Amino acid sequence: TQLLEQSPQFLSIQEGENLTVYCNSSSVFSSLQWYRQEPGEGPVLLVTVVTGGEVKKLKRLTFQFGDARKDSSLHITAAQPGDTGLYLCAGAGAGGTSYGKLTFGQGTILTVHP
Amino acid sequence: ETGVTQSPTHLIKTRGQQVTLRCSSQSGHNTVSWYQQALGQGPQFIFQYYREEENGRGNFPPRFSGLQFPNYSSELNVNALELDDSALYLCASRLGQPTNTGELFFGEGSRLTVL
Repeated sequence: TQLLEQSPQFLSIQEGENLTVYCNSSSVFSSLQWYRQEPGEGPVLLVTVVTGGEVKKLKRLTFQFGDARKDSSLHITAAQPGDTGLYLCAGAGAGGTSYGKLTFGQGTILTVHP
Repeated sequence: ETGVTQSPTHLIKTRGQQVTLRCSSQSGHNTVSWYQQALGQGPQFIFQYYREEENGRGNFPPRFSGLQFPNYSSELNVNALELDDSALYLCASRLGQPTNTGELFFGEGSRLTVL
């Protein structure tokens, strides 16, 4: 069974602060995705990382995939109240039908106070 | 282009009842998957459908079943409802074969409460 451990579970910070969310597993994933989910809505894809060691930037968000493709991190610089939401990491398995099955972490609830 | 739409958005059932949730995939998307998201948790994979057949299943009992129709829309059926079935049920669609790694588009979900 592939599991993703996400930490921290809750983050409450002031506007302008930086933060990092971690996603760790003992399993290797073919790719790892980060989603953001707001109350009453489904998750929305932020980024997909595929190559070990890959770093992707999306404005103030920086995503990194570990060299061994078992872990990932999301770093937000100068957080804003609009960043508030549930952040989810999700891993896609390697080969066969498991590509269609995403294994999600339990999520990080981020609250950014003005 | 319409996104993934789910119905109903909210519903309340009692233990032992049966429920059917519906999903219309994004236009042209032929692979549909269903996830269960309990309060405060990440989504858990239930199963995936491609070409009207189940193509991959998570750790859910047989009372969770589904269908996919020729127009790619899908249903999730849950029999003999239990209190722990209370959750947000998310439908997601993608284009291409299940082994593709294309972006998954989620609907807003159906919030099921079992009393």
